[in-house]
Amino acid sequence: KNEVEQSPQNLTAQEGEFITINCSYSVGISALHWLQQHPGGGIVSLFMLSSGKKKHGRLIATINIQEKHSSLHITASHPRDSAVYICAVRKTQGGSEKLVFGKGMKLTVNP
Amino acid sequence: DTGVSQDPRHKITKRGQNVTFRCDPISEHNRLYWYRQTLGQGPEFLTYFQNEAQLEKSRLLSDRFSAERPKGSFSTLEIQRTEQGDSAMYLCASSRTGRAAFFGQGTRLTVV
Repeated sequence: KNEVEQSPQNLTAQEGEFITINCSYSVGISALHWLQQHPGGGIVSLFMLSSGKKKHGRLIATINIQEKHSSLHITASHPRDSAVYICAVRKTQGGSEKLVFGKGMKLTVNP
Repeated sequence: DTGVSQDPRHKITKRGQNVTFRCDPISEHNRLYWYRQTLGQGPEFLTYFQNEAQLEKSRLLSDRFSAERPKGSFSTLEIQRTEQGDSAMYLCASSRTGRAAFFGQGTRLTVV
């Protein structure tokens, strides 16, 4: 079983819809990242959080440490939000701060 | 441009050839990571440097793979005697201790 699981694996939405992407993990973590990857490969870090909630523009990320679960919400979705969204965790064990990644969720927002 | 840059962006090579990729991290970042991503999967950790010291290597990194960060700045990842299974996106990331990682655009390797 993967240490980081994301759901759903794929999602197609209409422009303007509210979107939620889920991430569950099974290990102790010091931080969780939400990342965005567009076709062509480049990864952009959206959020790094260890507790509570963060907001940036139309994006909101929440984390529940007790339940080992995080969500990424996109409000008023737009076709330019189409990308793969990846959840990654920084495990508490070890000092490297390397990330363990989920498989990602491919989001398609249709106009 | 003060982001993480990787070179080349794309590399096609014949099986058995050696390839070398370069990563230039953000200048004040002491940590540098290499990850590999195959189609439809999330990235997987390969190796990590703190300054010039290579402190951790994944079991994914076979004897054919070697990475260096000679002066604690840029890093190179070399793959010797490439195999078709090495075809993947190779991602570099850098960070300051305890801070978020910044990723490069990746080098897409195709072994034919």
